[in-house]
Amino acid sequence: AQSVTQPDIHITVSEGASLELRCNYSYGATPYLFWYVQSPGQGLQLLLKYFSGDTLVQGIKGFEAEFKRSQSSFNLRKPSVHWSDAAEYFCAVGYGGSQGNLIFGKGTKLSVKP
Amino acid sequence: GAGVSQSPSNKVTEKGKDVELRCDPISGHTALYWYRQSLGQGLEFLIYFQGNSAPDKSGLPSDRFSAERTGGSVSTLTIQRTQQEDSAVYLCASSPRGVGSQPQHFGDGTRLSIL
Repeated sequence: AQSVTQPDIHITVSEGASLELRCNYSYGATPYLFWYVQSPGQGLQLLLKYFSGDTLVQGIKGFEAEFKRSQSSFNLRKPSVHWSDAAEYFCAVGYGGSQGNLIFGKGTKLSVKP
Repeated sequence: GAGVSQSPSNKVTEKGKDVELRCDPISGHTALYWYRQSLGQGLEFLIYFQGNSAPDKSGLPSDRFSAERTGGSVSTLTIQRTQQEDSAVYLCASSPRGVGSQPQHFGDGTRLSIL
């Protein structure tokens, strides 16, 4: 069965430090991959997506992610974290074809130290 | 333009009562999804509507849960005889077409608390 694993439940980084959030997926075909961010009391906002082509994708708010087929990973990175990046981050996989629902990881909560 | 709108934003009710949660998707989006977000559990798919096709109900946890979508637009998720384990945030999302390659646009959710 398709699944998404985010191994880190909670990460704390200092403001200005670099960030990498891990995501691994299990899916037989080439996946559609997404990263979403959720601030407290808010819905999910799309950060970036990967469908095909260049394996390094750029997103909003200075985030990027790299698709590595050999590792079944789609890790999210940011070179320098800002205090406003504190939120929960979700990785998701979309099926091919007409089945549109996403499979989400359980999320990684990011805290930023001043 | 307007995003996905959900109401109410918060709902507190007693165990055993029925509740209705509403979702108004982005205009023109044919696909609509309901998810449940429980503490520490990520998002759990509940149900998916695509145009006039029969909905995919494979994620509904029990027959107490049902949903409808009227006129291809507004959707209502109904939970009958609520239980304490139904307490969660219920998120609605829409996308232009219901294919896995399209990102979904989420509302802010309804926080449901069962006393």
